[in-house]
Amino acid sequence: AQSVSQHNHHVILSEAASLELGCNYSYGGTVNLFWYVQYPGQHLQLLLKYFSGDPLVKGIKGFEAEFIKSKFSFNLRKPSVQWSDTAEYFCAVNAPWTVGGADGLTFGKGTHLIIQP
Amino acid sequence: GAGVSQTPSNKVTEKGKYVELRCDPISGHTALYWYRQSLGQGPEFLIYFQGTGAADDSGLPNDRFFAVRPEGSVSTLKIQRTERGDSAVYLCASSATGLAGGTDTQYFGPGTRLTVL
Repeated sequence: AQSVSQHNHHVILSEAASLELGCNYSYGGTVNLFWYVQYPGQHLQLLLKYFSGDPLVKGIKGFEAEFIKSKFSFNLRKPSVQWSDTAEYFCAVNAPWTVGGADGLTFGKGTHLIIQP
Repeated sequence: GAGVSQTPSNKVTEKGKYVELRCDPISGHTALYWYRQSLGQGPEFLIYFQGTGAADDSGLPNDRFFAVRPEGSVSTLKIQRTERGDSAVYLCASSATGLAGGTDTQYFGPGTRLTVL
């Protein structure tokens, strides 16, 4: 079974700072990778996803993530954060074509990001 | 509908009681997922439906948990003999087909917060 580690549980940044949130997964086969965001009072929504092709993936609101297969990592980045980026960020993975679990997502514990104005 | 809806938004029950949680997926989505999110954790996969059938129920913690989707749209998660440890937010998600090797985007509902006293 796969697992996901998010190393930073709480991150506090000032506006305009650059952001990188770490995500590592453990699974030796082909995986699909996702970042979800949950803004205060809202439900989970997809930021971006990777399943094949260019390992640098661009998502909504200026976010991007890079898949590095050799490091089992899928870190989320944004060059300049805004106060409105304050939210909980979750990395998730699924392993296609595995028996009994191709589509259920395995999530990390999340990173609580606070942007100070 | 426009998005995934879940009812009730909050449910308080006593230990040992039976509860039902309802999920209305996005219209036309054939895949439906249930997750459970405990405080400070990421969502944890419970069960995945493809149409009316449970394609993967490997995440259900024990036989007190059961879910149905009799007509391939609305789903109900049923918990018997509730325990205090069942307290969590129960999330539902749907995706268009669930057949794209796990690459389909899962759209999440707002969740039902279950509290077992």
